Amino acid sequence: QVQLVESGGGVVQPGRSLRLSCAASGFTFTSCDYGMHWVRQAPGRGLEWVTVISCDGTIKYYADSVKGRFTISRDTSKNTLYLDMNNLRAEDTAVYYCARFDGTLSGFDIWGQGTMVTVSS
Amino acid sequence: EIVLTQSPGTLSLSPGERATLSCRASQSVSSTSLAWYQQKPGQAPRLLIYGASSRATGIPDRFSGSGSGTDFTLTISRLEPEDFAVYYCQQFGSSPYNFGQGTKLEIK
Repeated sequence: QVQLVESGGGVVQPGRSLRLSCAASGFTFTSCDYGMHWVRQAPGRGLEWVTVISCDGTIKYYADSVKGRFTISRDTSKNTLYLDMNNLRAEDTAVYYCARFDGTLSGFDIWGQGTMVTVSS
Repeated sequence: EIVLTQSPGTLSLSPGERATLSCRASQSVSSTSLAWYQQKPGQAPRLLIYGASSRATGIPDRFSGSGSGTDFTLTISRLEPEDFAVYYCQQFGSSPYNFGQGTKLEIK
């Protein structure tokens, strides 16, 4: 069964750091049919694309709102995607989803259940 | 950066009616790079349409997508009770891979 499971969310003070994880199963993590993304959704708001890592890990793009503060990475031996978030701000409060981009479809066909990050003092 | 603008913000219709949702891009987007999602409260989004007009696996044929260039449309031919949700378009033409702000489809 193809599945993504996020973890690592919680309450953190402004300026602090947090690492999110996304464990993938049921598909080949390094297949170049897929790219892996993070998308977030602030409470009561719409979806915001955050970042992507290419199938070979060499290409990474970021939304301007997180550039220089967030880093996407992966561990292929563990089939796990990461999002390292530094210098967190109140406006980073959101549910964070990892999502699989299927290049044969051109869409996010698999989503995790999301993990909540709350930045508050 | 490509900005997607969805309209209307909220659409109030009754079951059995036809829904037409619009997604307008600030610059041309390849048809292969436009997707639509459905999101219900407390759930992750679900892929409905990819490549502007192809239905994802398991999506009923009452959902259809169309359009090209800067104007794209999601149509639900006959609304079922489970279709009332929020719908987002997204472009993959160039980073950042922005979403539209969403259209809320509510029961009239």
